[in-house]
Amino acid sequence: EVQLVESGGGLVQPGGSLRLSCAASGFTFSRYPLHWVRQAPGKGLEYVSGISSNGEAPYYRNSVKGRFTISRDNSKNMMFLQMGSLTSEDMALYYCARESVLAFDMWGQGTMVTVSS
Amino acid sequence: QSALTQPPSASGSPGQSVTISCTGTSSDVGAYNYVSWYQQHPGKAPKLVIYEVSKRPSGVSDRFSGSKSGNTAFLTVSGLLADDETDYYCSSYAGGIHYVFGTGTKVTVL
Repeated sequence: EVQLVESGGGLVQPGGSLRLSCAASGFTFSRYPLHWVRQAPGKGLEYVSGISSNGEAPYYRNSVKGRFTISRDNSKNMMFLQMGSLTSEDMALYYCARESVLAFDMWGQGTMVTVSS
Repeated sequence: QSALTQPPSASGSPGQSVTISCTGTSSDVGAYNYVSWYQQHPGKAPKLVIYEVSKRPSGVSDRFSGSKSGNTAFLTVSGLLADDETDYYCSSYAGGIHYVFGTGTKVTVL
């Protein structure tokens, strides 16, 4: 089955860290750029980070730059988002999304990150 | 990295059409013909309904159409059905490997 499955979300204290994973199946993973998009409860979609098909030239939105690191392992069909110095502003449902024809043609179901003491 | 601007809400009667605008800048919407639109039902992941301004993915109804003029893109949903009542988001390629999303529009079928 062609799908993306996120994991690794959970409850973390302010200032803490978390590593999200995105497992892909059913397509040639190494051919596609991948992205993280988040959605705070009751809010809109927000672009977070992206990585090219070969893992080079990652991009981060300003608010997460220096705190988040995106990476991928094409041998394992996995993408990751290492998140640090988390604040309440980072609390959201995090989706991984596949890029094709310069659009997000496939999405996972998301993993929830809750930042609270 | 400012979000693209969409109206918070739009509405139409069953069978009628509704058009949603998405306004960006000359660095995103105005610079590239890579505007996409997403439909998101409550509790579900977004679904791509338009890419490259006006193209429909396989399986998406031809009731969905897109266009662009300058820094503003548009999504039109024709022949409104009850199932069309949900949230819609635009997105634009913004260079390199990054994108920007719109603020979202809730469509109501009256």
